[in-house]
Amino acid sequence: GAVVSQHPSRVICKSGTSVKIECRSLDFQATTMFWYRQFPKQSLMLMATSNEGSKATYEQGVEKDKFLINHASLTLSTLTVTSAHPEDSSFYICSARGLREYEQFFGPGTRLTVL
Amino acid sequence: AQSVTQLGSHVSVSEGALVLLRCNYSSSVPPYLFWYVQYPNQGLQLLLKYTTGATLVKGINGFEAEFKKSETSFHLTKPSAHMSDAAEYFCAVRSTGNTPLVFGKGTRLSVIA
Repeated sequence: GAVVSQHPSRVICKSGTSVKIECRSLDFQATTMFWYRQFPKQSLMLMATSNEGSKATYEQGVEKDKFLINHASLTLSTLTVTSAHPEDSSFYICSARGLREYEQFFGPGTRLTVL
Repeated sequence: AQSVTQLGSHVSVSEGALVLLRCNYSSSVPPYLFWYVQYPNQGLQLLLKYTTGATLVKGINGFEAEFKKSETSFHLTKPSAHMSDAAEYFCAVRSTGNTPLVFGKGTRLSVIA
């Protein structure tokens, strides 16, 4: 299957700082990317969907000013957690899909810990 | 809108025993169905998927699932559990078009020696 990478895999930051997470599709063009959040021992919750070159569509309850998503190219999407607080600590997983794909390909996830 | 219900948040089986993880879905259109496995602190790995065609789908690591439209189910099975199968399993559904995957709450599989 296609490969999706995420960077960093783990990040620890102080409260009030901003953190950027990168998601790259390595061997295909990702026309659509998805960002999920997963709390310990829970399922994946969709945060937002982004199409290349368009503004992201956020799920209800997700603050778009706090979780900035950019999908400027067909191989890269970024999630920036602005002014992070301890309650933002979570496992963030990106997923990408090509134009004619049934399947979403998942990145390995980023563990964010806000102190 | 699609939704997924996974019955049983935790399933425990003996090594060598049958694994059965249940998944029921709700979809107003013919669904695409998926099973993923997640090991601790890792991303998701696709086990198998159903899109169209044969309703019995075989995946990796000896897993298979059967799409039963009349029962709106897509249960995951494996004839003989192995210790390495211990993980979290997620069932997911999506419809056609540019829609995202919707996940069930997950089932944690424990394998007892």
